[in-house]
Amino acid sequence: EAQVTQNPRYLITVTGKKLTVTCSQNMNHEYMSWYRQDPGLGLRQIYYSMNVEVTDKGDVPEGYKVSRKEKRNFPLILESPSPNQTSLYFCASSAFRDSEAFFGQGTRLTVV
Amino acid sequence: LAKTTQPISMDSYEGQEVNITCSHNNIATNDYITWYQQFPSQGPRFIIQGYKTKVTNEVASLFIPADRKSSTLSLPRVSLSDTAVYYCLVGTEGKLIFGQGTELSVKP
Repeated sequence: EAQVTQNPRYLITVTGKKLTVTCSQNMNHEYMSWYRQDPGLGLRQIYYSMNVEVTDKGDVPEGYKVSRKEKRNFPLILESPSPNQTSLYFCASSAFRDSEAFFGQGTRLTVV
Repeated sequence: LAKTTQPISMDSYEGQEVNITCSHNNIATNDYITWYQQFPSQGPRFIIQGYKTKVTNEVASLFIPADRKSSTLSLPRVSLSDTAVYYCLVGTEGKLIFGQGTELSVKP
């Protein structure tokens, strides 16, 4: 089954404790991206990647890092999480630039 | 990337046809128009995409006039399960810029 898998689904952590949210797709897609969704602010793109070893900033990249060492994986790294990064995060992938994007089930992160 | 404008919310009743219009005055020549649906706490789901005229699939139709400055998503005979937020996106270039979307509420 074609899918984008994020882990974990839920995470509660403390300020400053590094964490990684994993994202994997099994569709051999070129494009992958991360979004956060907050009430009243909608979905905002954090980072995106157009291919292996190619990443670029989205609209809200501060406080996040990503890497794309393999085509299927695109982890989101929070080196020193802060409470303002409490949010619902989505990973997405698509075959090429304008094609249908597939989203993961989301990761609800709480930073206390 | 073209900015989109759509109504914040719409109400409908089961069995009715719902049309959601999106304005994208600055659309570029090579931009596609794409619509997504999102349920609470779930990731957006692709509904339909088009470039010009009319596109239809098993769940919706997309109408795009000749000037392409707007588009209309048409949902035939909505049901309670169509209650969701609908997003219109124009252009990607690797980035999906989501606006506020239209919150559709379908009532019995």
